[in-house]
Amino acid sequence: EVQLVESGGGLVKPGGSLRVSCSASGFTFSSYNMNWVRQAPGKGLEWVSSISSSSSYIYYADSVKGRFTISRDNAKNSLYLQMNSLRAEDTAVYYCARDPGSYGDYSFDYWGQGTLVTVSS
Amino acid sequence: QLVLTQSPSASASLGASVKVTCTLSSGHSSYAIAWHQQQPEKGPRYLMKLNSDGSHSKGDGIPDRFSGSSSGAERYLTISSLQSEDEADYYCQTWGTGIRVFGTGTKVTVL
Repeated sequence: EVQLVESGGGLVKPGGSLRVSCSASGFTFSSYNMNWVRQAPGKGLEWVSSISSSSSYIYYADSVKGRFTISRDNAKNSLYLQMNSLRAEDTAVYYCARDPGSYGDYSFDYWGQGTLVTVSS
Repeated sequence: QLVLTQSPSASASLGASVKVTCTLSSGHSSYAIAWHQQQPEKGPRYLMKLNSDGSHSKGDGIPDRFSGSSSGAERYLTISSLQSEDEADYYCQTWGTGIRVFGTGTKVTVL
């Protein structure tokens, strides 16, 4: 069974930093592209960042470019999002999501339950 | 610019059918999309990938009453024999080079 479990969320002050993690199981983690998607309270889903299976390709939404860094450790079956210079508008539930393994398919076929990041003084 | 447009809400009676629409922006009518369901207070769940020709592949355990279809730049999600647990937000999602895009979501209410 595919499982994605996020952790590391919490309360952080504006301008601060936080790293959230996603632990994967039930599939060969090193063979799949991975992603972060967020959802602000009462709002819709927003794509944040993607990383290819071998970390060769990395992409960010304009809203986080230069402040957030996605990474992965295939030996630990883990995905990370380092968030710096946090702003109030970064307050959201952060979801880890997997891409299907099919070529050219980037449709998020499995999701975690999310971890809440709150940016407030 | 790659944009997905969804109506904010849709409703139908228990046991009836409801059709949710997602419209691709101009110049992107050949794009595939995915549909995701988000029940209240839960994380999203992948429903299916839907191609421009209407062919679709569903996620693990998705009931047969969820189906997809396409017409031009429009992509549809049809839920038949509506159940109370189908009351949820439904998001369409697509992708381009180095970018992923979500629609604004449609809240489906079961009357």
